[in-house]
Amino acid sequence: NAGVMQNPRHLVRRRGQEARLRCSPMKGHSHVYWYRQLPEEGLKFMVYLQKENIIDESGMPKERFSAEFPKEGPSILRIQQVVRGDSAAYFCASSPGTGVSNQPQHFGDGTRLSIL
Amino acid sequence: GESVGLHLPTLSVQEGDNSIINCAYSNSASDYFIWYKQESGKGPQFIIDIRSNMDKRQGQRVTVLLNKTVKHLSLQIAATQPGDSAVYFCAEISNTGFQKLVFGTGTRLLVSP
Repeated sequence: NAGVMQNPRHLVRRRGQEARLRCSPMKGHSHVYWYRQLPEEGLKFMVYLQKENIIDESGMPKERFSAEFPKEGPSILRIQQVVRGDSAAYFCASSPGTGVSNQPQHFGDGTRLSIL
Repeated sequence: GESVGLHLPTLSVQEGDNSIINCAYSNSASDYFIWYKQESGKGPQFIIDIRSNMDKRQGQRVTVLLNKTVKHLSLQIAATQPGDSAVYFCAEISNTGFQKLVFGTGTRLLVSP
C-alpha cells in the first residue's frame, strides 16, 4: 500500500541545467498537486493536474517551469535553466478526486533541489 | 489576498503537557481546514481535518477547534510526547476555485522529556 512516491529524493544541478522531478501518486489517485517549500516556510501551491490535463497552474512561474501528468507514468515537474533561487524542497500530493469529499491530500517526502 | 498565519513560530512544552497550536486565516470562503505534521526531511503528514459546518472535531489525542467568527483554528494535543516534536501547519481550501491547499508558515513544537 505504497504512498506518494517522489524521486529523486535529492537532486543537485548547476545553474543553467534542467531539473526533472517525478511523482507517482497513491494507488487509485488520479489527481496530483505540486508544492514548493523554502526553509522555515510553509508549502506554496504550484500546479494541480489530472491525467493529461493541467487544471490549475496559478502558482507556477510563467517561465522555465512546466508540469505534466501523462496517461501512463508519473507526473513530472520540469525546471529549465535552473537558477539559485530554484533551490527548495518540492512536494507532490495526490487525492482520488476533486472536492472536499476527496480530501485530504496525501504527500510524498519531497525532492530537495540544490542549485550550485 | 488569501493568507493563513500562525501566532507562535516555536512552542516548547514538557512531556505530558497539553499543547495548543493556533492559526489565523483570512479567507472567509474557506470551507475545509487541515492540520499537518512535518518531521525533518519528510513530507507533511495528515493529522486531522474539519469542515466549516463544524466547530470541533476530535481524534486520537488531538482536537481541532474552528471559530469562524474570528477566523481562528487551533490544534490541541493532549499528553504531548517527544515523538510529537515537529513543525505543524494549518492549511485551508477555499470553496471557490480549485483544490489547492493554502498553508500557514508553521509552528515548531519542541517536547522536552
